[in-house]
Amino acid sequence: GENVEQHPSTLSVQEGDSAVIKCTYSDSASNYFPWYKQELGKGPQLIIDIRSNVGEKKDQRIAVTLNKTAKHFSLHITETQPEDSAVYFCAAKGPSYGKLTFGQGTILTVHP
Amino acid sequence: DTGVSQDPRHKITKRGQNVTFRCDPISEHNRLYWYRQTLGQGPEFLTYFQNEAQLEKSRLLSDRFSAERPKGSFSTLEIQRTEQGDSAMYLCASSFRDRAYEQYFGPGTRLTVT
Repeated sequence: GENVEQHPSTLSVQEGDSAVIKCTYSDSASNYFPWYKQELGKGPQLIIDIRSNVGEKKDQRIAVTLNKTAKHFSLHITETQPEDSAVYFCAAKGPSYGKLTFGQGTILTVHP
Repeated sequence: DTGVSQDPRHKITKRGQNVTFRCDPISEHNRLYWYRQTLGQGPEFLTYFQNEAQLEKSRLLSDRFSAERPKGSFSTLEIQRTEQGDSAMYLCASSFRDRAYEQYFGPGTRLTVT
């Protein structure tokens, strides 16, 4: 089955700096890669996603890149703000229906 | 759009008891998913419904677990004879047929088995 590895497990940055989180996946048939933000006591919130036919997607301060050949994708957050502090999860969807396989999560802390 | 809702938000039960959780998806979302999340880990897929049909089940879903979506709207997840290892956050997500890949999660039900 699909396996998703996420790094780093924790990331600490100063407000205004950029943050990058990286994920690799194992199943070359995976075709959809979402990123979720989870705050304490809440469910994961979809923040951006990318499909396998696209190399990059941007939405204001966040962007995602995908390298299908290397089977890795990354989340980039620019001009970080304290409210960006949360746990971020990457995920991959394989060919079977809607099952998402998640990474282990990255705890992002933005210091004011 | 009121979002995915789950009930209860917290459940404490004794080992061996049965528990049932409810999920109400976003209106008109025909796909519904259950995941389980333990502390410090990402969500793990349990099962998936398209309308009322249960189309995929994870090996994590032992015979003590059963999920239903009788009329293609809300769904229930029942755990029989709970064990301490069942303690986790149970998350429900839904997606719309025209944007089926995008899964929107509810707040979860936190289960503690004592």
